[in-house]
Amino acid sequence: QAQLVQSGAEVKKPGASVKLSCKASGLTFTAYSIIHWVRQAPGQGLEWVGAINPSDGTTSYAQMLQGRVAVTWDTSTNTVYMELRGLTSEDTAVYYCARDPYYDYWSGLMDVWGQGTTVTVSS
Amino acid sequence: DTQLTQSPSTLSASVGDRVTITCRASQSISRWLAWYQQKPGKAPNLLIYKASTLENGVPSRFSGSGSGTEFTLTISDLQSDDFATYYCQQYLTYSKWTFGQGTKVEIK
Repeated sequence: QAQLVQSGAEVKKPGASVKLSCKASGLTFTAYSIIHWVRQAPGQGLEWVGAINPSDGTTSYAQMLQGRVAVTWDTSTNTVYMELRGLTSEDTAVYYCARDPYYDYWSGLMDVWGQGTTVTVSS
Repeated sequence: DTQLTQSPSTLSASVGDRVTITCRASQSISRWLAWYQQKPGKAPNLLIYKASTLENGVPSRFSGSGSGTEFTLTISDLQSDDFATYYCQQYLTYSKWTFGQGTKVEIK
């Protein structure tokens, strides 16, 4: 059964960086599944952050986070990473990774989700 | 970017009720709309895509309709497991995927 397992909660100070991981279990990124990152601030809705196509390393990011976010992958460990730099209190959120269901195609749908990682930015 | 507006924001209903949630897009998105269910402390779960196609394993009491700018999610015969927050998402344009603000279905 396909599963995405995310790293644990993080507490960071303003201005710091955070790097979250998302490891695939029961599925392999070599099956060319785009992996998205979505965040949810406390009590708020869902916001798409960025994504990567592990088949060719192509990435795409939300315009408002351009320059601060980077999504990478490690094929040897079937793990995708999302790094966010220059953290502010507005980056406090639960961050989810999620799989796009189509083969090597950026549909934007998300059918398998990780359990989420809480990132708290506080001085 | 395409904005999605859901209504109502909160909906109070009883087990067995039929409930409808509306999602309006700021521009036409054809049928590129999905619905997700999210329970407290959990990740969202894909229910419907392409406006009306039920994801595998989703109960048939869930249905979706619409095209262009107006869409609905209907839950017939509401069950206790259905009390949750529902989000619509448009996926028309590469890298500009957006979600509605959510509709919370609560127990009356």
